[in-house]
Amino acid sequence: LAKTTQPISMDSYEGQEVNITCSHNNIATNDYITWYQQFPSQGPRFIIQGYKTKVTNEVASLFIPADRKSSTLSLPRVSLSDTAVYYCLVGDREGRRALTFGSGTRLQVQP
Amino acid sequence: EAQVTQNPRYLITVTGKKLTVTCSQNMNHEYMSWYRQDPGLGLRQIYYSMNVEVTDKGDVPEGYKVSRKEKRNFPLILESPSPNQTSLYFCASRPVGVSWYNEQFFGPGTRLTVL
Repeated sequence: LAKTTQPISMDSYEGQEVNITCSHNNIATNDYITWYQQFPSQGPRFIIQGYKTKVTNEVASLFIPADRKSSTLSLPRVSLSDTAVYYCLVGDREGRRALTFGSGTRLQVQP
Repeated sequence: EAQVTQNPRYLITVTGKKLTVTCSQNMNHEYMSWYRQDPGLGLRQIYYSMNVEVTDKGDVPEGYKVSRKEKRNFPLILESPSPNQTSLYFCASRPVGVSWYNEQFFGPGTRLTVL
């Protein structure tokens, strides 16, 4: 299983850009990298997914270097509502192997 | 509304009393999965199912059973619950073979306490 490592917590202020890095040294060739957001007492919610290079959607960007041993979730101009736990997940395309979430990064956004 | 539902949402039980947590999705997803979430440990996968009658162990399957007799339902069974199974449980589903390979849709969670 591809194990992921993330910082336990991060602090930021409203309007700043936040970058959360996830390490996944033993990622397999056909693994994809996915990030989820979780608010207290709710199930995780999909944010973004990528395989290599850069992916951008309306809420975030995902940067993946050539060796794919790490990835960085970038949240532009965070607001108080972005305070949540962010999980990095590495898994194969077909879901034929068990999925492993990391412990997550608790992001606290201050006014 | 497309959703994953779980029942019950809250359950307090005693050691050894068999229980079932139901999970149902209305999105015709092939893949379904159960996770438990404990403080400081993130989400850990218990079991997953690629399709009807196909189930596989996740990271922490001990003490749990699952079945997948219908595509929409994926119940989690605790034959003899113990206090170390006190946790927050999430069911999730996703389609197989489309673009967003790992976009899972999660249920609201079931908070289980075993005394």
